[in-house]
Amino acid sequence: DAKTTQPPSMDCAEGRAANLPCNHSTISGNEYVYWYRQIHSQGPQYIIHGLKNNETNEMASLIITEDRKSSTLILPHATLRDTAVYYCIVRVVGSRLTFGEGTQLTVNP
Amino acid sequence: DAGVIQSPRHEVTEMGQEVTLRCKPISGHNSLFWYRQTMMRGLELLIYFNNNVPIDDSGMPEDRFSAKMPNASFSTLKIQPSEPRDSAVYFCASSFYGLAAPPGAKNIQYFGAGTRLSVL
Repeated sequence: DAKTTQPPSMDCAEGRAANLPCNHSTISGNEYVYWYRQIHSQGPQYIIHGLKNNETNEMASLIITEDRKSSTLILPHATLRDTAVYYCIVRVVGSRLTFGEGTQLTVNP
Repeated sequence: DAGVIQSPRHEVTEMGQEVTLRCKPISGHNSLFWYRQTMMRGLELLIYFNNNVPIDDSGMPEDRFSAKMPNASFSTLKIQPSEPRDSAVYFCASSFYGLAAPPGAKNIQYFGAGTRLSVL
């Protein structure tokens, strides 16, 4: 599976949009971009995934660049409960979930 | 559905003792995963079952670790004998598809709340 690069930490003001970047320059054509998050002391939670088109669900939006070498997870109105470690994972559907370091997002009041 | 259920939530034991962690996957899911999370190594996959059969146990650290899935609704991870370096949070996850999902399948893994193990 392709390797991903994420900033180690980010801050966001409550109520503002949180934009979390992920670089995956070696992504293959059949690899999807998955996002999970882990709130302190809880198990990881699926957020969203996509192949090449932008995706939106009740939790977030996923923007994938046209060359698919990077993506951005957008939490449109961050709340304090969104404080968590966010993992960007690139994988072929059915392959292992390999968790990297992720980005620690802190939402400040 | 109540989600993936793990027990106990916390376990404190002494070195050399046997430890058994339990997991009930989401009903209808065909695959089950055991992960371990530590500060040093992050979140790592230990073993994966598909239709109750162990498919990949390459992440199991050593022979002291064993996992079973006697039926579709129950799995155990056993450590015997336990050592202080086994202290970690152990997560169980389940998914409808295993590691051979068809193209376009969501293939989402749902995680339990974890068991925090402390070996003294």
